[in-house]
Amino acid sequence: AQKVTQAQTEISVVEKEDVTLDCVYETRDTTYYLFWYKQPPSGELVFLIRRNSFDEQNEISGRYSWNFQKSTSSFNFTITASQVVDSAVYFCALRRITGTASKLTFGTGTRLQVTL
Amino acid sequence: DTGVSQNPRHKITKRGQNVTFRCDPISEHNRLYWYRQTLGQGPEFLTYFQNEAQLEKSRLLSDRFSAERPKGSFSTLEIQRTEQGDSAMYLCASSGNKQGAVYEQYFGPGTRLTVT
Repeated sequence: AQKVTQAQTEISVVEKEDVTLDCVYETRDTTYYLFWYKQPPSGELVFLIRRNSFDEQNEISGRYSWNFQKSTSSFNFTITASQVVDSAVYFCALRRITGTASKLTFGTGTRLQVTL
Repeated sequence: DTGVSQNPRHKITKRGQNVTFRCDPISEHNRLYWYRQTLGQGPEFLTYFQNEAQLEKSRLLSDRFSAERPKGSFSTLEIQRTEQGDSAMYLCASSGNKQGAVYEQYFGPGTRLTVT
């Protein structure tokens, strides 16, 4: 069975602060994909990043960075210099690589509130 | 390219009525997914199509739920004899063989169902 845990239900920060969203996952597979999605108040899930389990190199995209550590089964997401537009619910998700099971298993999400 | 579209965006129905939702995936995407999201939770997988074949169904998909994708393009999700517990956001996603989109699922805006 696969499971994704996002222990932080809600985080509030002031604009320009850095914030890290935690994601811990469980899987018996040795290879898998990890994802982060953003769900703004409008409701539509927006794809942010995909990471393969065999590639532990961290990734940076503008103000966003991701830290993948297979040894601790974590895939954390950091927003640097947060902005009000970053306010949303962020979901971490896991997907198998093998077989026909291509469904995403999501965590319960972390609501990020960025205020002025 | 247009994104994934879903109709209707909102549906209010009385308990016991049947409802049908439609999803139009990104053109040429051969994979289509249905998820359900309740308040404060992450999306939960319901079912998955590759072309017109329904390859996986969740145990969440009771016999009151049926999904089709008759020509491998749009898909419909029908709920018969709706119950108040069916109230949720129903999300559709697609992925496929377009460059850069093999593994990412792109989501539509969802259909919010309220059963009174």
